[in-house]
Amino acid sequence: NAGVTQTPKFRILKIGQSMTLQCTQDMNHNYMYWYRQDPGMGLKLIYYSVGAGITDKGEVPNGYNVSRSTTEDFPLRLELAAPSQTSVYFCASSYGVGLGDQETQYFGPGTRLLVL
Amino acid sequence: RKEVEQDPGPFNVPEGATVAFNCTYSNSASQSFFWYRQDCRKEPKLLMSVYSSGNEDGRFTAQLNRASQYISLLIRDSKLSDSATYLCVVNPDSNYQLIWGAGTKLIIKP
Repeated sequence: NAGVTQTPKFRILKIGQSMTLQCTQDMNHNYMYWYRQDPGMGLKLIYYSVGAGITDKGEVPNGYNVSRSTTEDFPLRLELAAPSQTSVYFCASSYGVGLGDQETQYFGPGTRLLVL
Repeated sequence: RKEVEQDPGPFNVPEGATVAFNCTYSNSASQSFFWYRQDCRKEPKLLMSVYSSGNEDGRFTAQLNRASQYISLLIRDSKLSDSATYLCVVNPDSNYQLIWGAGTKLIIKP
């Protein structure tokens, strides 16, 4: 199993450009998440999905969009890049929620985004 | 008060020593707690889950103190490879939105 894969690893965007961060998992997990991690801060949840066709906003959704057409893929879209979106973006997945191993979140290697 | 607070460190510890650090949380109804490890420029990985009073896995022990609303992580016989940032994570109400601490940086010195 590859686990959770993310592309690209690193990207530089100009203000106002758009891009899609790709995320794929091969563990047949129902739940998928997008986080951003800024220096010295905890991970912040951007969007999450509990299954194909179902997405919902997290703590910091402004400026982002997601879709979940399949169980495996959960792309994150930035429409009009702003310097405040410079960050490291992590995609994660889990089997479910609740007590036990179901809650363990498995992360991709991250995408480093710089907006200039 | 932040929802999850950690001492950012760094904790500089000699190899072989025992080190412990705490994490406080604000929501008294929180049910599940986790320690994740994050190496420099890498993704977080689960180290331990804490559901009742505590959990032990080899050299690592996590304890939960509900009365004082904190969890602790104890590392015995520390190794150079333990150098990392340790993230405290709390699930405040058994939904999908975990609350992540900013992490405690640990440096093990030879």
